[in-house]
Amino acid sequence: AQSVTQLGSHVSVSEGALVLLRCNYSSSVPPYLFWYVQYPNQGLQLLLKYTTGATLVKGINGFEAEFKKSETSFHLTKPSAHMSDAAEYFCAVSEGAGNKLTFGGGTRVLVKP
Amino acid sequence: GAVVSQHPSRVICKSGTSVKIECRSLDFQATTMFWYRQFPKQSLMLMATSNEGSKATYEQGVEKDKFLINHASLTLSTLTVTSAHPEDSSFYICSASLAADRGTDTQYFGPGTRLTVL
Repeated sequence: AQSVTQLGSHVSVSEGALVLLRCNYSSSVPPYLFWYVQYPNQGLQLLLKYTTGATLVKGINGFEAEFKKSETSFHLTKPSAHMSDAAEYFCAVSEGAGNKLTFGGGTRVLVKP
Repeated sequence: GAVVSQHPSRVICKSGTSVKIECRSLDFQATTMFWYRQFPKQSLMLMATSNEGSKATYEQGVEKDKFLINHASLTLSTLTVTSAHPEDSSFYICSASLAADRGTDTQYFGPGTRLTVL
């Protein structure tokens, strides 16, 4: 069975500082990994995904994530936080081939001026 | 591309009534649609998976007679909450898979529907 753990339910960063959101997964097969962002009272927007190939994945809004198989991690980073990055971020995993997504508990990001 | 809409965005109903929520893929044909439930400050919980023209597959613990799902076409799925009660109040989100993304499990999410049962 697949599972996702997001370390830290809340993260506070200063505007312009590095954003680092941690995600560890468990999967019995090579996983597909996703990061989604959710703004208040809205659905989820896909930030980036890893399926195969290059382990460093670049997404929208300046975010990127690196798949590290040895660490079973898929941490999300952004070099410089912007006020508009304040939102809830969800990491998700699937075991491919039409399997469902399993979401982590989410990390709420607060950006301080 | 890959836009998913939901209607209504908010609905308030009386206890005992039924509520229908629509999920549409606007610019693509969705091979599979998913329905999630999200409680305040919590993650998404998958309720069911539906494929066009076939019965939905419900997750363990989800009452299929209470949460009726119909996937009548490749662009429309509906969730009907029957005989709604206050404990059914929640944020319901649908998502859809794009045929071109088949095999990558990418899902595109709708904006959600907030249901309040009085």
